[in-house]
Amino acid sequence: DIQMTQSPSFLSASVGDRVTINCKPSQNINRYLNWYQQKLGEAPKLLIYNANSLQTGIPSRFSGSGSGTDFTLTISSLQPEDVATYFCLQHNSWPYTFGAGTKLELK
Amino acid sequence: QVTLKESGPGILQPSHTLSLTCSFSGFSLSTYGMGVSWIRQPSGKGLEWLATIWWNGNPYNNTSLKSRLTVSKDTSNNQAFLKVTSVDTADTATYYCVHTEFTIAAPLFAYWGQGTLVTVSS
Repeated sequence: DIQMTQSPSFLSASVGDRVTINCKPSQNINRYLNWYQQKLGEAPKLLIYNANSLQTGIPSRFSGSGSGTDFTLTISSLQPEDVATYFCLQHNSWPYTFGAGTKLELK
Repeated sequence: QVTLKESGPGILQPSHTLSLTCSFSGFSLSTYGMGVSWIRQPSGKGLEWLATIWWNGNPYNNTSLKSRLTVSKDTSNNQAFLKVTSVDTADTATYYCVHTEFTIAAPLFAYWGQGTLVTVSS
């Protein structure tokens, strides 16, 4: 199985900050990586698919980059409503596997 | 508009079989490339993909649960099902059903149900 190492586990930032979250698969997954946002008590929401494609309806302050074994989710200007836990997912090969999550809070 | 909703027992005893139903609308499991996946999340922890049932009836299961998983579908009633045998406390989690497409270019896991909490306790 492909292991997904996500960092950091916790992140504290201020409104307006640029925030980056990283995900490193244990092997090459091409560009088959998605990012999800999960707010407390809710189901995950798809933000970015296939490394850098913005899902419909998601604000443009969210962006994704990377390929192979190194991926990044960037929030260009943090907003209060972005407080959540963020997960990456590889869908290059079965079983699909998730990162452990990054909990983002406001400073 | 794609919607999904899980239903299940809420609580069950160790060694019993968990049966979950996903009722959905906005797509058909008879359409080429469509699927429904099951993903679970223990409270405060990460996400684990369990299984996917495809339009053609083929299942993909996470082998980490060995042979405990069975997924199936009722196309005419727009439902998918998950069974987990011999449950124990480690199976306590929120279980989600998720719209899935076979096409690699499509946004994967874009639509999720609200989740159903399953507690395994004696």
